Amino acid sequence: QKEVEQDPGPLSVPEGAIVSLNCTYSNSAFQYFMWYRQYSRKGPELLMYTYSSGNKEDGRFTAQVDKSSKYISLFIRDSQPSDSATYLCAMISNNAGNMLTFGGGTRLMVKP
Amino acid sequence: DGGITQSPKYLFRKEGQNVTLSCEQNLNHDAMYWYRQDPGQGLRLIYYSQIVNDFQKGDIAEGYSVSREKKESFPLTVTSAQKNPTAFYLCASSIATRGQGQPQHFGDGTRLSIL
Repeated sequence: QKEVEQDPGPLSVPEGAIVSLNCTYSNSAFQYFMWYRQYSRKGPELLMYTYSSGNKEDGRFTAQVDKSSKYISLFIRDSQPSDSATYLCAMISNNAGNMLTFGGGTRLMVKP
Repeated sequence: DGGITQSPKYLFRKEGQNVTLSCEQNLNHDAMYWYRQDPGQGLRLIYYSQIVNDFQKGDIAEGYSVSREKKESFPLTVTSAQKNPTAFYLCASSIATRGQGQPQHFGDGTRLSIL
């Protein structure tokens, strides 16, 4: 079993929909949680960075961490075709410096 | 603008040939990383360096080598010993701290193919 599980998709939604992307993990030492967006043939771009449990909002994006359930989510409101990309979750444990553990990524397609 | 520059964008390797991928950053980050990305497998760590003149093997270091002679630069050599080198290679950097985990920032990758 992988440390971080992420549904690979593809997830196809109509423009304007609310998108929910999720990751589950098994290592209770993970304390720092990130979401990256990766367009085709490009490097991952950091979208959200959160510490421990709770919510963080940035524009149309909301990151949610539930450490008791070992579950993190990224919500995208009013989704746009430009949001079509692969979304990667990543985590750092409190005893691993800056070493990231990645999920496999979810491919999102937002149709006009 | 501050960022990470990877070159070339596309690279072709012949049988038995070593090739070197360039990674330069001007973010003043101490730590740098190399990942390999294959379809459906996410990112796998090849090598990382927390400080100049020091580097550590990641999960899939066999067939690869690195150097870290300057803070700004972390080149990756794909040697002929790497039998399946076709992949998308990503370089990243981060602030190196012992405390709070810091996110990594990525370049735009080099796509390596076999001729």
